[in-house]
Amino acid sequence: GEDVEQSLFLSVREGDSSVINCTYTDSSSTYLYWYKQEPGAGLQLLTYIFSNMDMKQDQRLTVLLNKKDKHLSLRIADTQTGDSAIYFCAESNTGTASKLTFGTGTRLQVTL
Amino acid sequence: DSGVTQTPKHLITATGQRVTLRCSPRSGDLSVYWYQQSLDQGLQFLIQYYNGEERAKGNILERFSAQQFPDLHSELNLSSLELGDSALYFCASSVGQGATDTQYFGPGTRLTVL
Repeated sequence: GEDVEQSLFLSVREGDSSVINCTYTDSSSTYLYWYKQEPGAGLQLLTYIFSNMDMKQDQRLTVLLNKKDKHLSLRIADTQTGDSAIYFCAESNTGTASKLTFGTGTRLQVTL
Repeated sequence: DSGVTQTPKHLITATGQRVTLRCSPRSGDLSVYWYQQSLDQGLQFLIQYYNGEERAKGNILERFSAQQFPDLHSELNLSSLELGDSALYFCASSVGQGATDTQYFGPGTRLTVL
């Protein structure tokens, strides 16, 4: 079945870049997503990438996809304290209809 | 604000009880999804409805059921509640029903079973 893995914790200094990594096992993944969850809040869609793309940039966010290694990363440039949250990667594929399989989440802590 | 609303925000109940969680999708969205977020299981897909019909089922217990009404809002019913059912329950919606349809999440309902 599908499996999505993430490291649990990342600490960066304000102004530095953050890179959050994700690996997945399902080679038929169609879309890969990044969601952000702030304390006590719901899931906010940050960005997504289609599986035939290598990279997608959206303002401070850059998503890189290495389909061969089944590795996805989210880079946040000029990280701010407001970026402190849990970041989830998720995948969907046509074989499982439209359900999302989520990773365990990476807690990003931004220090001054 | 994603446009997806969920009520109630918090729910505290006792073991053995039954509760109903409600979700209103974004305007124009036909699909509704339910997810459970717990400390031990993480975020797990429960069930999906599209235009009133069940489309996909995930790790949903037999004690749980859902439906989507003609006005497209959805309800998740949890019965014979156990302590382990304490979790955050999210609803999401999308325009269509396929893997390429982006899902937008509501703020969640936090269920505490005592």
